[in-house]
Amino acid sequence: QVQLQESGPGLVKPSETLSLTCTVSGYSISSGYYWGWIRQPPGKGLEWIGSIYHSGSTYYNPSLKSRVTISVDTSKNQFSLKLSSVTAADTAVYYCARIQQYWFDPWGQGTLVTVSS
Amino acid sequence: SSELTQDPAVSVALGQTVRITCQGDSLRSYYASWYQQKPGQAPVLVIYGKNNRPSGIPDRFSGSSSGNTASLTITGAQAEDEADYYCNSRDSSGNHNWVFGGGTKLTVL
Repeated sequence: QVQLQESGPGLVKPSETLSLTCTVSGYSISSGYYWGWIRQPPGKGLEWIGSIYHSGSTYYNPSLKSRVTISVDTSKNQFSLKLSSVTAADTAVYYCARIQQYWFDPWGQGTLVTVSS
Repeated sequence: SSELTQDPAVSVALGQTVRITCQGDSLRSYYASWYQQKPGQAPVLVIYGKNNRPSGIPDRFSGSSSGNTASLTITGAQAEDEADYYCNSRDSSGNHNWVFGGGTKLTVL
């Protein structure tokens, strides 16, 4: 059974870079599929941040593209998110998920990242 | 880019049938997938593809699509179905981009 787990700091200062890692268990990232990051500000809806293929090809939400970098480490079976120049508007629960053809499944439990000084 | 539009809130009487809709240009090209999210929990996939349910999802959940509108139907809604529901699809721009609907809060009365 595939499981995903997000990890990283829960508090980031404004203007700094948010860094999160998603560790995958029960499936080898190098075997295929796209892997994605999604976020949800408190009380709001879901927003796709970006996706990465096991080969390293990336796709980003145009609204975030200038600040986002997603990378993959197949040796650790992990993929990571970096979001630069964060502001309070980036405060959200961040989820990672596997992308199967045209749907996201499964999802990690999510991790709350607060941007505050 | 494209957007997916959902009604913010829908209510249904216990045991009755409710339809939650999602509209967007991308739905003319791609099937929507649907996610259920309960407070404090991660979204869970309930419908994908033409009308497929992952293992463990009750058969009272079904999906359909026509033109630019996708629908999630719950036949015989239960109290535990009260949740937020989000639709999702590929972006119709031709890139490998994704879009989510704004979500529908379902209340079971």
